[in-house]
Amino acid sequence: EIVLTQSPGTLSLSPGERATLSCRASQSVTSNYLAWYQQKPGQAPRLLIYDTSSRATGIPDRFSGSGSGTDFTLTIRRLEPEDFAVYFCQQYGGSPLTFGGGTKVEIK
Amino acid sequence: QVHLVQSGAEVKKPGASIKISCKTSGYTFTKFYIHWVRQAPGQGLEWMGIINPSGGSTGYAQKFQDRVTMTRDTSTSTIYMELSSLISDDTAVYYCARVGGNSGYRPFDIWGQGTMVTVSS
Repeated sequence: EIVLTQSPGTLSLSPGERATLSCRASQSVTSNYLAWYQQKPGQAPRLLIYDTSSRATGIPDRFSGSGSGTDFTLTIRRLEPEDFAVYFCQQYGGSPLTFGGGTKVEIK
Repeated sequence: QVHLVQSGAEVKKPGASIKISCKTSGYTFTKFYIHWVRQAPGQGLEWMGIINPSGGSTGYAQKFQDRVTMTRDTSTSTIYMELSSLISDDTAVYYCARVGGNSGYRPFDIWGQGTMVTVSS
C-alpha cells in the first residue's frame, strides 16, 4: 500500500499569498496518477488536479500541480478567500487507492 | 447535469448492519465506475472499494473485505454499499464518488453529498 504524507499539516497564510502544499509517497506512484482535492466544512471533496498537473473542469488557473515519482506539489498562486479549506492528495495508480492526511490552509 | 444523491443519516447499534444508497442521474449509469470512501469525524479520507455498474464486479479494500458488499440496481441507476458488524470506529461520513473516465482507477470527478453513520449503543 502506498502511504501518502502531506505537509505541512496546517498552512497559515493571508489572501493574495502563495500556498505550496507537499505530498510525498512511500513508493513511486504509477504513471504519476496523483490527484488533489479541496474540501470545505460540511461538503464533499472537490477534484482540483488529476494526473499530477491537469486541472479539472472549471478549476481556476491559480491552482497548479507538479511533481513525479514520489514527490508532488500543489501550488495556489494567489489565495482567494474561497481557497481556505483542507486539501487532500490521492494516488490512483493501483489498489488500494490511498489519500494523504490533508493540509489545512487557514487565514493568518 | 450529473448527480449522485445518497440516502439519509442513520444511527445504528454495534453489531448491526447499514445499507447506504447512491442514486445516480444525468449520465449513462453503466459507463462509469463508482467508489466508496469514508471520513471519520475530523479525519482524512479512507477508500473502501469499487463497483463496476456495468457487470457488477467489485473490488474491496482489504480492511473491509469481510464485511462490505457493494451492489447495483441498473433499473434505478442506484449503487448500494452495505457494511456489517458495525463498531464505534465505523462512525463516519460515507461518500459515493464517480470515476471520471472509463477506467476503474481514475480520479473522482463527482461525489455524493455524504451519509453520516453513527454507531452507538
